[in-house]
Amino acid sequence: EAGVTQFPSHSVIEKGQTVTLRCDPISGHDNLYWYRRVMGKEIKFLLHFVKESKQDESGMPNNRFLAERTGGTYSTLKVQPAELEDSGVYFCASSQAGVNTIYFGEGSWLTVV
Amino acid sequence: AQSVTQLDSQVPVFEEAPVELRCNYSSSVSVYLFWYVQYPNQGLQLLLKYLSGSTLVESINGFEAEFNKSQTSFHLRKPSVHISDTAEYFCAVSENTNAGKSTFGDGTTLTVKP
Repeated sequence: EAGVTQFPSHSVIEKGQTVTLRCDPISGHDNLYWYRRVMGKEIKFLLHFVKESKQDESGMPNNRFLAERTGGTYSTLKVQPAELEDSGVYFCASSQAGVNTIYFGEGSWLTVV
Repeated sequence: AQSVTQLDSQVPVFEEAPVELRCNYSSSVSVYLFWYVQYPNQGLQLLLKYLSGSTLVESINGFEAEFNKSQTSFHLRKPSVHISDTAEYFCAVSENTNAGKSTFGDGTTLTVKP
């Protein structure tokens, strides 16, 4: 069974540009989470989808970040326009409904220059 | 609000030595506690978790952690480490069983030397 996959693994963009990160959860997992780790600090929760609905987006830093989950399958996280402080590793994770074990992807490294 | 403090950012040890990675948390309510491990070039993996019951929890690869409510700690230990244990370890706390909205610590890099 495929795990959580994220694309791209690395991205370098200029300040002001747009980047879209994609996450494919494990098949059948209703819950999908996005996190960010900046500069080797703690991993911070961004938001939580249950199927296609945003359950909790309290961790989204500002309105330059937009997350979607089309049809309750894959999810995208768009940063527009990107700022220098957006650099970091963006993790995606998924879990089955009612199960408290979450499975992480390898992360997408974003560098804004 | 809850918070997690991992007291050591780097822990170098020799192979077969014991190790303890320290984690303290703060919360105003009951918590659930997790340790994750991230091996180089991989995603985070759940190592062990405490939800309820016995305060000593174990992983399949020899790690254990003990929930200490009075000291608000959840330290991770292994009596004898291997080179393959070299990784970054994250402690996390959640105020409900939804592990997805956990608060994570900054991580501790364990380096096992031959």
